[in-house]
Amino acid sequence: GAGVSQSPRYKVAKRGQDVALRCDPISGHVSLFWYQQALGQGPEFLTYFQNEAQLDKSGLPSDRFFAERPEGSVSTLKIQRTQQEDSAVYLCASSLEGLTEAFFGQGTRLTVV
Amino acid sequence: QKEVEQDPGPLSVPEGAIVSLNCTYSNSAFQYFMWYRQYSRKGPELLMYTYSSGNKEDGRFTAQVDKSSKYISLFIRDSQPSDSATYLCATYNTDKLIFGTGTRLQVFP
Repeated sequence: GAGVSQSPRYKVAKRGQDVALRCDPISGHVSLFWYQQALGQGPEFLTYFQNEAQLDKSGLPSDRFFAERPEGSVSTLKIQRTQQEDSAVYLCASSLEGLTEAFFGQGTRLTVV
Repeated sequence: QKEVEQDPGPLSVPEGAIVSLNCTYSNSAFQYFMWYRQYSRKGPELLMYTYSSGNKEDGRFTAQVDKSSKYISLFIRDSQPSDSATYLCATYNTDKLIFGTGTRLQVFP
């Protein structure tokens, strides 16, 4: 596709439920990033992949958060036992290399009730 | 202290005005600085990036970096209602982008 695609666009989860958020990066982009954006705030880094290797997961807020990119293309961010504080927009970005030209998807808005 | 500080606004200006958006940062090692525009319920869209100090111009947009004062600016000339959005400044450290909180801009006709 022409841009980074994320699905679903909106997700409502009951507290304690597991969720999976999908990211389709721009074809050929080596680097893939996940960010979390709370209301009225800038995006906060969660994790970074180079191809299939997860090189940095220092931003994942707890061990309930898990991300994978098994074939170096599509990535999935999984949140187990969701809590209300997990409610946010989850953004995926990809780049050919480096961070000066990273392209973001439209995000998945997660609401935990 | 956050690594990148940005006034959240909102900033409301009439159409045609010159807009000045600003950020400060704390780490003098930062070299690249980006400006993103984010429309409501959309992902951030890269407007431009600059390296080190100096100016960079792209159409109605000019990005400016002053490393001596750790200050970055985005100027928008002849602002249009379609410029109404949140503007995010960012820099990066190794493998992660570091964003400001974003400034919400409203350009009214």
